[in-house]
Amino acid sequence: GESVGLHLPTLSVQEGDNSIINCAYSNSASDYFIWYKQESGKGPQFIIDIRSNMDKRQGQRVTVLLNKTVKHLSLQIAATQPGDSAVYFCAEKSGGATNKLIFGTGTLLAVQP
Amino acid sequence: NAGVTQTPKFQVLKTGQSMTLQCAQDMNHEYMSWYRQDPGMGLRLIHYSVGAGITDQGEVPNGYNVSRSTTEDFPLRLLSAAPSQTSVYFCASSYSQGASGYTFGSGTRLTVV
Repeated sequence: GESVGLHLPTLSVQEGDNSIINCAYSNSASDYFIWYKQESGKGPQFIIDIRSNMDKRQGQRVTVLLNKTVKHLSLQIAATQPGDSAVYFCAEKSGGATNKLIFGTGTLLAVQP
Repeated sequence: NAGVTQTPKFQVLKTGQSMTLQCAQDMNHEYMSWYRQDPGMGLRLIHYSVGAGITDQGEVPNGYNVSRSTTEDFPLRLLSAAPSQTSVYFCASSYSQGASGYTFGSGTRLTVV
């Protein structure tokens, strides 16, 4: 069945560097994608989303890139800070009446001071 | 607004016991769902509801029941707990079927011994 996966389970970066977290999806019918951040002991928190009619979307210090040709999604975090340390999930939603999201397994981002 | 509230935060059950995980949201969201989160497996959908009186199964529904008598509440019931149900459970809601990202609760950590 369809699934969402991540290339790197753990990413370690130095404070101030840029981080790139990658995600591959398999359902070409997916039309909406979200990145979530989950800190230890907390629920996932919405970061940024992108619809399939876009290639790029920017937020505050974050950018999501979508490459539909190769079914790849990435989250870029500029000037990574210790507070960015968390698990990051990508999620996809296929078109249709329901609002079900399919989540990837997550990438742990560890920011070294 | 409180957002999505889950109770209890922690619970230990003996095999065969039953219990109900509570989830309430005060955002007038139509769509609510339950996920379980296990190491290395990401978030998996258990049950979901697109509105009061309507529920449906997700990816891993066995061993769980839900009901949606009001818009605000979406309890998850374990009828006869098994060690395989040891997990962290998250409730999530969104405004409508076609809405964007979910709002998650802070989770319930359940251990079945």
